[in-house]
Amino acid sequence: DGGITQSPKYLFRKEGQNVTLSCEQNLNHDAMYWYRQDPGQGLRLIYYSQIVNDFQKGDIAEGYSVSREKKESFPLTVTSAQKNPTAFYLCASTPRDGQGYTEAFFGQGTRLTVV
Amino acid sequence: AQTVTQSQPEMSVQEAETVTLSCTYDTSESDYYLFWYKQPPSRQMILVIRQEAYKQQNATENRFSVNFQKAAKSFSLKISDSQLGDAAMYFCASLLNAGGTSYGKLTFGQGTILTVHP
Repeated sequence: DGGITQSPKYLFRKEGQNVTLSCEQNLNHDAMYWYRQDPGQGLRLIYYSQIVNDFQKGDIAEGYSVSREKKESFPLTVTSAQKNPTAFYLCASTPRDGQGYTEAFFGQGTRLTVV
Repeated sequence: AQTVTQSQPEMSVQEAETVTLSCTYDTSESDYYLFWYKQPPSRQMILVIRQEAYKQQNATENRFSVNFQKAAKSFSLKISDSQLGDAAMYFCASLLNAGGTSYGKLTFGQGTILTVHP
């Protein structure tokens, strides 16, 4: 079945450590996104990528890094520079047709907790 | 800049009644899509309805419809005959299909928690 897979579902990190969240899609979608969601809050854009080997900063990129070496993969690294990383992280992707990008499809999310 | 604003943090409705959720957006681009997504307690994001900016006709999906006012940059969602299963957080979002490096940028509002009373 086609879809977006985020792993792990739950992740615990010690303060001062970097951690990488995985996002893989087999939908052949062009664009991929990372969002952060805090309790009772909206989705804030961290990074997005329209094509392989290119990505753009979103609204809250500080303390995060990404790579897009393959079309189907868009891992997010939460670095020690991120002051408050505990949150729910969502990955998404969108296909592109002749008229441009269309609706986004989402993974199940990763809950990151700093201990 | 691309911004999406939902001014209603919480809304409630009686089962079988109608409720309208508000959304305003701001973009300098002319080519974009607008969406309403639903996020139940499972946190899975579910597409409710989609509106292409170049279409004047308001989108409709069964009990869900939008009122798209392009000049006012307003995009409200109307839920008719509300059901208990409609209870969730609802997000408004805009997706740019123009704008150089902003091409493909997908921005969400803060969300509105909808409670449905039996």
